[in-house]
Amino acid sequence: EVQLVESGGGLIKTGGSLRLSCAASGFTFTYAWVSWVRQAPGKGLEWVGRIRSKTDGGTTDYAAPVKGRFTVSRDESKNTVYLQMNSLKTEDTAVYYCSTEGFNYVWYFDFWGQGSPVTVSS
Amino acid sequence: DIQMTQSPSSLSASVGDRVTITCRARQNINRNLNWYQQKPGKAPKLLIYAASSLQNGVPARFSGSGSGTDFTLTINSLQPEDFATYSCQQSYSTPWTFGQGTKVEIK
Repeated sequence: EVQLVESGGGLIKTGGSLRLSCAASGFTFTYAWVSWVRQAPGKGLEWVGRIRSKTDGGTTDYAAPVKGRFTVSRDESKNTVYLQMNSLKTEDTAVYYCSTEGFNYVWYFDFWGQGSPVTVSS
Repeated sequence: DIQMTQSPSSLSASVGDRVTITCRARQNINRNLNWYQQKPGKAPKLLIYAASSLQNGVPARFSGSGSGTDFTLTINSLQPEDFATYSCQQSYSTPWTFGQGTKVEIK
């Protein structure tokens, strides 16, 4: 059974840093592309960034609002993807989900974690 | 960025009704369109990918159609467990973008 379990969320002051973890199991992590998607309170879903599989270069892409502040990385030995969030702003307050990206003619988010809430307060 | 617009933002329906939700892309995205269902406090769940392909395990009362810029999610014979928020998402080009969501409520 595929499982993604996020951790590391919490309350943080503006300008602070936080690192979220996404522990994966139930599939071959080496081949997985993993994205982070967030949802601000009462709002829609917003893609944050992703990391390609190690076999596809392990490179990253980011949404404009977080580029230069957030970093996605992965540790193959721990089957875990990380989201390092620096210079946090109040508008980064959201539930953060990690999700695997599947492909079958098109890309899609097929498996999701339960979400990790992040609150940035001034 | 490709803007995705859903309509309506919310709707009220009864069990057994047929429900249709529309998603429009600002530019041609071919069939690179996915639909998700989300219940309060839960993660989204993939329903439909590539505009009309049903994800494994999703009931056949859900269907999707469209290509280019205009897409539709249809729920035939709405069931109690279908009351949720539905979001479309384009996977034509990054940054991946979502519609604002359509909340389906009980009438």
